[in-house]
Amino acid sequence: NAGVTQTPKFQVLKTGQSMTLQCAQDMNHNSMYWYRQDPGMGLRLIYYSASEGTTDKGEVPNGYNVSRLNKREFSLRLESAAPSQTSVYFCASSTPGQSSYNSPLHFGNGTRLTVT
Amino acid sequence: GNSVTQMEGPVTLSEEAFLTINCTYTATGYPSLFWYVQYPGEGLQLLLKATKADDKGSNKGFEATYRKETTSFHLEKGSVQVSDSAVYFCALSQSRGSYIPTFGRGTSLIVHP
Repeated sequence: NAGVTQTPKFQVLKTGQSMTLQCAQDMNHNSMYWYRQDPGMGLRLIYYSASEGTTDKGEVPNGYNVSRLNKREFSLRLESAAPSQTSVYFCASSTPGQSSYNSPLHFGNGTRLTVT
Repeated sequence: GNSVTQMEGPVTLSEEAFLTINCTYTATGYPSLFWYVQYPGEGLQLLLKATKADDKGSNKGFEATYRKETTSFHLEKGSVQVSDSAVYFCALSQSRGSYIPTFGRGTSLIVHP
């Protein structure tokens, strides 16, 4: 059981370049999330998708776009990368239903992005 | 709004020492509480959880008790090992309104042999 799979694992971009971070889960989860992790800042939510076909902004959405391609896949796009977007990006998913509040998140192993 | 406050790290201990990582929260109603662990180079994974007051979550020798009167969910382990070195995150999620979890900033634990 693969769980949550993120690609790529590492990426280096120049300022102004674009890229898409891919995320797929095989647990039939309805909800999916994108977080960034920076030293001293903990985890900050970028975007989330409560179910297929819906997306919503989180705490730090500026500079990012997302696509919930189907139930399994949730991608994060940087249209014009900036050094401030250097971070570790985590995708997560959680179990379906209204009881999601007591269901834990399942995380991928992250994408380490450096923007020069 | 919701918030989670954890003790700042790093916490440095010798092997077999007793561990406490403090976590307090602010939330309305009766949130569910979680501890996640992040090993180097990996994503977060659930360590334990508690869904109502006075519940005790436990896993791998770690324990935490949901204390509504003190709005706390402190993580404890009686005897840490070098392999417990990781970053620990406290989190909560609400049963009403947005269920999106709120995370603390994480506490780094370093265990020396």
